[in-house]
Amino acid sequence: TQLLEQSPQFLSIQEGENLTVYCNSSSVFSSLQWYRQEPGEGPVLLVTVVTGGEVKKLKRLTFQFGDARKDSSLHITAAQPGDTGLYLCAAEMNYGGSQGNLIFGKGTKLSVKP
Amino acid sequence: DTAVSQTPKYLVTQMGNDKSIKCEQNLGHDTMYWYKQDSKKFLKIMFSYNNKELIINETVPNRFSPKSPDKAHLNLHINSLELGDSAVYFCASSQRNEKLFFGSGTQLSVL
Repeated sequence: TQLLEQSPQFLSIQEGENLTVYCNSSSVFSSLQWYRQEPGEGPVLLVTVVTGGEVKKLKRLTFQFGDARKDSSLHITAAQPGDTGLYLCAAEMNYGGSQGNLIFGKGTKLSVKP
Repeated sequence: DTAVSQTPKYLVTQMGNDKSIKCEQNLGHDTMYWYKQDSKKFLKIMFSYNNKELIINETVPNRFSPKSPDKAHLNLHINSLELGDSAVYFCASSQRNEKLFFGSGTQLSVL
């Protein structure tokens, strides 16, 4: 059973369109992270959301943490080809208080065509 | 300078061989990790070391043995490689509960 469900799995859109990807779970998390991974590279952290209902903006990216801290969404406005990549959500499983046992969703592979 | 560097970038080898992947971080972090990403891009933690001490050891075959000679290095040795070991292996580091920094990955292909 996948603890973090991401949807959609694949998304192909034209430049300028808006999109939303989702990360859902039946578990409650103290925080949730979003990463972007480009081909041939490791994931890079975009944002961490901590408070239920929290909204964070990173230029054209808007991240929201659900009120119950079980889900999150990432909305991209006016997508550009540079947004192409694999978007991963991740949440921490406690292992003696040490971060790093992040469980990852399977990702949303986004392709933005010019 | 690269914050988390791992070598080699690509590793092609025959089944049954033993191989190592090296990882170094120059961020001064106290915790280092190994993650495995399969062909479907699913990323899963394998090991975590804090100040050279093993903290997390997920269910991986004992053919995989991490070694941390010092805080800045965490190497991964794999014995008797199998076809199913083919994947991309990522090293990462963090300082306590702060964010993870990933290396650029080692693509392992077992033939």
